[in-house]
Amino acid sequence: AQTVTQSQPEMSVQEAETVTLSCTYDTSESNYYLFWYKQPPSRQMILVIRQEAYKQQNATENRFSVNFQKAAKSFSLKISDSQLGDTAMYFCAFKETSGSRLTFGEGTQLTVNP
Amino acid sequence: NAGVMQNPRHLVRRRGQEARLRCSPMKGHSHVYWYRQLPEEGLKFMVYLQKENIIDESGMPKERFSAEFPKEGPSILRIQQVVRGDSAAYFCASSPSGTEDGYTFGSGTRLTVV
Repeated sequence: AQTVTQSQPEMSVQEAETVTLSCTYDTSESNYYLFWYKQPPSRQMILVIRQEAYKQQNATENRFSVNFQKAAKSFSLKISDSQLGDTAMYFCAFKETSGSRLTFGEGTQLTVNP
Repeated sequence: NAGVMQNPRHLVRRRGQEARLRCSPMKGHSHVYWYRQLPEEGLKFMVYLQKENIIDESGMPKERFSAEFPKEGPSILRIQQVVRGDSAAYFCASSPSGTEDGYTFGSGTRLTVV
């Protein structure tokens, strides 16, 4: 079974600075997808960024980028120029290419301070 | 496109009552997934349904919980004889087919059992 681990329950960062959230996973699959979801206080689950395991290039979406280390099974999220609206719970998630369910980590609560 | 619609947003039930949670997938989506989020935890997969069929219910508790996705109408997650431990946020997600690299979540239903 796949597992996803987020070792940082809470993190904080000053507005405009950069922060990195960690995620590791365990799988025997070679093809899969990885995701970061954001859950603000509204509770809505918002897809931030996704990475396909067979692609070596790290995914980037505006201020959000990932550091995908397949051999190390690591998938960290970097948020540049942090904004107050980035305050939220961030979840790392895994999905087999052939499967349909997402396996989530326990989440990291990020607080951006003014 | 209204997105994935879940209702009610909040639901309060007394112990022993039944809870019915509804999910209308995005237009054109025929695959629905239910996840449960206990307080301070990540989302856990419960069940995956396609129109009129349960594809994977391996995450669903064996008793008191059931799900359906009829040919017409929303998907329903039903919890009979609720207990305090059922208090959680229940999220629905949908996708056009079962193997995309991600899907769209609703805003969830927060069930409180008193």
